[in-house]
Amino acid sequence: EIVLTQSPGTLSLSPGERATLSCRASPGLSNNYLAWYYQKPGQAPRLLIHGASSRATGIPDRFSGSASGTDFTLTISRLEPEDFAVYFCQQYGSSPWTFGQGTKVESK
Amino acid sequence: QVQLQESGPGLVKPSETLSLTCSVSGDSISISYWSWIRQPPGKTLEWIGYIGYSGDTNYNPSLKSRLTMSVDTSKNQFSLKLTSVTAADTALYYCVREVWGSFDPWGQGTLVTVSS
Repeated sequence: EIVLTQSPGTLSLSPGERATLSCRASPGLSNNYLAWYYQKPGQAPRLLIHGASSRATGIPDRFSGSASGTDFTLTISRLEPEDFAVYFCQQYGSSPWTFGQGTKVESK
Repeated sequence: QVQLQESGPGLVKPSETLSLTCSVSGDSISISYWSWIRQPPGKTLEWIGYIGYSGDTNYNPSLKSRLTMSVDTSKNQFSLKLTSVTAADTALYYCVREVWGSFDPWGQGTLVTVSS
C-alpha cells in the first residue's frame, strides 16, 4: 500500500499570501496519479486537482499542482478567505487508493 | 449535474451489519465507477471500494472480508454492506463517483455510529 505523508500539518497564513502544501508518496507513484481535495468544516471534500497538475472543473487558476519524483505540491498563489480549509492528497496509482492525513490551512 | 445522496441507518449495534445506499441523479449509473469512502471523526479519509455498473468490484483489502457492494441499474443506486461492525467502523460515509481514480462529485455524507 502506498503511504502518503503530507506536510506541514498546519499552515498559518493571511489572505493574499501564497500557500505551499506537500505530499510525499512511499514507495513511488506511477504516472502522477495523484489528486488533491479540500474540505471545509461540515462539508464533503471537493476535488481540486487530478493527474498531479490538472485542475478540476470550476477550480480557479490560483490553485496549481506539480510533481517531482515522489514529491507532489499544491500551491495556492494568493489565499482567498474561502480557501481556509483542510487539504488532502490521494493516490490512485496502486490499489488500494489511499489518502494523506491532511494539511490544515488556517487564518493567521 | 451529477448528485449523490447516501441513505441508511445512523446507528448500528456492534457485530451487526451496516447497510447504506447511494442514489445517483443527473447521470446514468451505467457510465461510471462508483466508490464508498469513509472518514472517522477528526481523521483522514479511507477508500472502502468501488463497483462498476456491471457489478465488477475492487475492495480495500483491509475491509474485503466483511464487505459487499452491489449496484441496481434500474434504480440508479449502488449499495454497501459491511458485516460484523465494531466501534472502529464509526465514521462519516460518503458515496462518490470515481473518475479515472479520483473522486468527483461526493455525496454529502452520512454519519454511522456503531454502539449498543
